[in-house]
Amino acid sequence: IAGITQAPTSQILAAGRRMTLRCTQDMRHNAMYWYRQDLGLGLRLIHYSNTAGTTGKGEVPDGYSVSRANTDDFPLTLASAVPSQTSVYFCASSDLYDTGELFFGEGSRLTVL
Amino acid sequence: GQNIDQPTEMTATEGAIVQINCTYQTSGFNGLFWYQQHAGEAPTFLSYNVLDGLEEKGRFSSFLSRSKGYSYLLLKELQMKDSASYLCAVRDSNYQLIWGAGTKLIIKP
Repeated sequence: IAGITQAPTSQILAAGRRMTLRCTQDMRHNAMYWYRQDLGLGLRLIHYSNTAGTTGKGEVPDGYSVSRANTDDFPLTLASAVPSQTSVYFCASSDLYDTGELFFGEGSRLTVL
Repeated sequence: GQNIDQPTEMTATEGAIVQINCTYQTSGFNGLFWYQQHAGEAPTFLSYNVLDGLEEKGRFSSFLSRSKGYSYLLLKELQMKDSASYLCAVRDSNYQLIWGAGTKLIIKP
């Protein structure tokens, strides 16, 4: 059982470059999320999707975009990376019709130089 | 605004009991979660409370008082592997999770 798979696990990126973080789940959850986690700030929601074909903005959406073409995949794109986007990124999924417990991927550590 | 407060750091001794508090002010309430996160790893689910009272699961228990906007996570018989951050999160009226910044728990022998 894979659960949620994120790729890459770690990446160093030059400022100004485009980057896509991949996220795939095999639990058939309706909702998916992208969070960033920075020291002392906790988890902050970037974008979410409650069902395939729809997306919404979270607390810190600027500089990021997402798409949800199907149930399983929820990629996060940084169109032009900046150093302030250096962070650990977590993808998560949940079943909105249940308790809403989030299942997390292992995280992607991104460094923008 | 919406807010979740929990202590930044706590220290406890192996074998002892520790209580981690969480207070919240949110737009609506649809459940409170506790997650555990070891350094360098993803958060993992510990407990879920939607009604007032105590939920016990092995060495871990979680309490909720909706009228006080208050929860605590109780860890008994502490083990070194319990050293981690503990995250409190509340699901609001829009079914979005509001996260606290987490409590780093340090266990000393």
